[in-house]
Formats: sequence, C-alpha cells, structure tokens
Amino acid sequence: SAVISQKPSRDICQRGTSLTIQCQVDSQVTMMFWYRQQPGQSLTLIATANQGSEATYESGFVIDKFPISRPNLTFSTLTVSNMSPEDSSIYLCSVPAGGYRNEQFFGPGTRLTVL
Amino acid sequence: GENVEQHPSTLSVQEGDSAVIKCTYSDSASNYFPWYKQELGKRPQLIIDIRSNVGEKKDQRIAVTLNKTAKHFSLHITETQPEDSAVYFCAASKYGASYGKLTFGQGTILTVHP
Repeated sequence: SAVISQKPSRDICQRGTSLTIQCQVDSQVTMMFWYRQQPGQSLTLIATANQGSEATYESGFVIDKFPISRPNLTFSTLTVSNMSPEDSSIYLCSVPAGGYRNEQFFGPGTRLTVL
Repeated sequence: GENVEQHPSTLSVQEGDSAVIKCTYSDSASNYFPWYKQELGKRPQLIIDIRSNVGEKKDQRIAVTLNKTAKHFSLHITETQPEDSAVYFCAASKYGASYGKLTFGQGTILTVHP
C-alpha cells in the first residue's frame, strides 16, 4: 500500500485564520481525496483533487472555504480558510491503491482545533 | 447522491461471541463496498471489501455479505477478541475506489468485553 504522510499532525488555531494541510504520497497517483471527520462522526468527502485540473467539490463544500492545490502526482494541499470553531475536525487525505485494485488508503490525519 | 445507513450505532459483545453490523445503500449503481476499522486516534484501516459481482467474501474471522437486490451488505466478525474493539465504518462507491468517491455510513462502536 502507498505510504501517506500529512503535515501538520495537529494544530490549534484562532478563529478567522487559515491553515494549510499537506498530503504527501510515496508514489504517483492520479486522484487524491480530502475527507473531514468531525468529532465522534463519520467521514465526509470534501473534494477530489486531480492533477492538472480544478478540484471537484462535494455538496456543502466550496472552493473559497477549502481551496485545494495539486501541483504534481504525489502532493496536495487543503486550506481551511477563515476558520470558525465548527471547523474543528480531523482532516484526512486518501489515495487509491492503483492498478486493478479498488482499495483506498488514508493518511494519518490532521487534527484541527479552532478556538 | 448515494446514502449509506449503518446499524447499530453501538454494539457490545462478550469475547468469543459473534458481531454483525449492517449497512444499506440507496444507489443501485454502487458496485464496491469496503469496511474500515478505526481505532481511537488512528486513521481508518481497510479490513475487507466486496464487489457487486460477489455475494460473500471471507478473510479469517471476518466476512462480508452483499445482497444487491435488497441493497444491503453486512460485516460479520466471529470469535471476537478485545482487540476487535474499535469503530467500524461501511462505505459504498459507484466506480470502485480508484475512480470514485466513498460514501460512508455513520459508524458502529464495537466493544468486546473480556
């Protein structure tokens, strides 16, 4: 399986500020996904990050709030903008196993607390 | 869009008993159904998955069954052990994880008592 790392692993931020989360994969992947997991809740897809094209956002998520970059096939960033306490969550990136495999693997997550 | 319902939300069993978690999905075009285990403070880990062309799949103490007609699938854990205690999530995808997004169920907190 792919080795996925995220930075930072956790952060405490003030209301109104922005945080950029990085996701690095040890192999090239065409698609990367960003999920949010609110405290005690399930995972919700924020957007799909495609290299060379605009990210595709799910209902309820907008680019102004969660801008995404995908400069190459091994890296992506998610920015949480103008944060409020409601943005306190774990943010996870995920990547497909590739080839003929259907599996999708998750990064370790970034635990964000907004005060 | 796809909607996945998962039951029960919590499940408590004695060590050695079996545990069953059930999920239903709404989109008949969904064709890939993974199960993830998430221990406290850790990332979700894929434990087993099934494709729509298969009715059942087993891996040691874990099995998954799929009923396409009824649009539901279930996770079965036999001979449960305390280390099976975790949150379990089912998910559904239309194209297979390599091409499509995962829609997750609400999760089941499984507690296995020694």
